[in-house]
Amino acid sequence: QKEVEQDPGPLSVPEGAIVSLNCTYSNSAFQYFMWYRQYSRKGPELLMYTYSSGNKEDGRFTAQVDKSSKYISLFIRDSQPSDSATYLCAMSKGVGYKYIFGTGTRLKVLA
Amino acid sequence: DAGVTQSPTHLIKTRGQQVTLRCSPKSGHDTVSWYQQALGQGPQFIFQYYEEEERQRGNFPDRFSGHQFPNYSSELNVNALLLGDSALYLCASSPGFREQETQYFGPGTRLLVL
Repeated sequence: QKEVEQDPGPLSVPEGAIVSLNCTYSNSAFQYFMWYRQYSRKGPELLMYTYSSGNKEDGRFTAQVDKSSKYISLFIRDSQPSDSATYLCAMSKGVGYKYIFGTGTRLKVLA
Repeated sequence: DAGVTQSPTHLIKTRGQQVTLRCSPKSGHDTVSWYQQALGQGPQFIFQYYEEEERQRGNFPDRFSGHQFPNYSSELNVNALLLGDSALYLCASSPGFREQETQYFGPGTRLLVL
């Protein structure tokens, strides 16, 4: 069993829809949770970064962490065709620790 | 302010050859981590360098080695290349262990082994 599980998709939604992306994990030692966006043939770009449980909002993006369920989510409001990319969740145990990534979910927002 | 830079962008090698990839961290960052991303997969941690020493290592064979220079830039070396080493190699930098700040990734080097 992988430490971090993420549905690879693809996920197709119409423009303007609310998108929900999720990851589950098995290691309760994870403390830091990140979401990256990766366009085809590019490096990952940081979207959201949260510590421990709770919610964090930045523009159209909201990240949620539920440590009791070992479940994290990323919500994208008013999705745009430019949001079409692969979304990677990542987790680490602490400062300076390596990141463990999910496989990524491929999202396509249709105009 | 330049972000993380990597060179070369693309590389084609044959089995058995050796390759060196280079990374310059974001300004103000002193820690460099390397990841391998196979097609359709998430990045896999190879190793991390801080103060010119390897601090953490993932499940990669000794064919993968690295170095960090006094200016914090880093190299990833892979010996005796295998077909399975074909992947996108990502470098990420962070400000080390002093404070929690997330890792910023470079654009990657795409390696094809024939």
